[in-house]
Amino acid sequence: AQSVTQLGSHVSVSEGALVLLRCNYSSSVPPYLFWYVQYPNQGLQLLLKYTSAATLVKGINGFEAEFKKSETSFHLTKPSAHMSDAAEYFCAVYPQGGSEKLVFGKGTKLTVNP
Amino acid sequence: GAGVSQSPSNKVTEKGKDVELRCDPISGHTALYWYRQRLGQGLEFLIYFQGNSAPDKSGLPSDRFSAERTGESVSTLTIQRTQQEDSAVYLCASSFPGRRIYEQYFGPGTRLTVT
Repeated sequence: AQSVTQLGSHVSVSEGALVLLRCNYSSSVPPYLFWYVQYPNQGLQLLLKYTSAATLVKGINGFEAEFKKSETSFHLTKPSAHMSDAAEYFCAVYPQGGSEKLVFGKGTKLTVNP
Repeated sequence: GAGVSQSPSNKVTEKGKDVELRCDPISGHTALYWYRQRLGQGLEFLIYFQGNSAPDKSGLPSDRFSAERTGESVSTLTIQRTQQEDSAVYLCASSFPGRRIYEQYFGPGTRLTVT
């Protein structure tokens, strides 16, 4: 079965520092991949997606992610963290040719320190 | 409305009572999903509706859980004889048909507390 692993349930960075949130998937066929962000007391919002086009994907709020097939990874990065980036981030995979639903990772809570 | 709406936003209920949660998807979205998010956990898939097809109920944790959808609009998730372990945020999402079915738009969720 398809699975998604997010390394680190909590990540803490200083304002202005690099943000790196890790996501690895298990699949023999590259799936579609997504990052969602959840701000406190809100639903999830799509941050960016990979759907077999360019391997470097740019999303909203300055975030980007790179699909690396050899590493089965889709890590999320942002060069300079802002206080407003504090939220929980979920990686998700949509298995091509599989069931019609997303499989989510357990999430990584990002804290940004002043 | 512009987005997915859910009601109520918060629900506190006593153990053993039944609860009903509502989701209004974005107009035109034929796919609708329910998820459960327990404290500190990821999203747990519950059920998926797609148009007039039979729903995918593979994620429902027990027969106390059921969901209905009227056509391509409102959906209700019902939990009977609630237990404390049912306490969670219940999220609803909807998406367009076709290739964009994987781009899900989420509602704000219903926070259920079973005392």
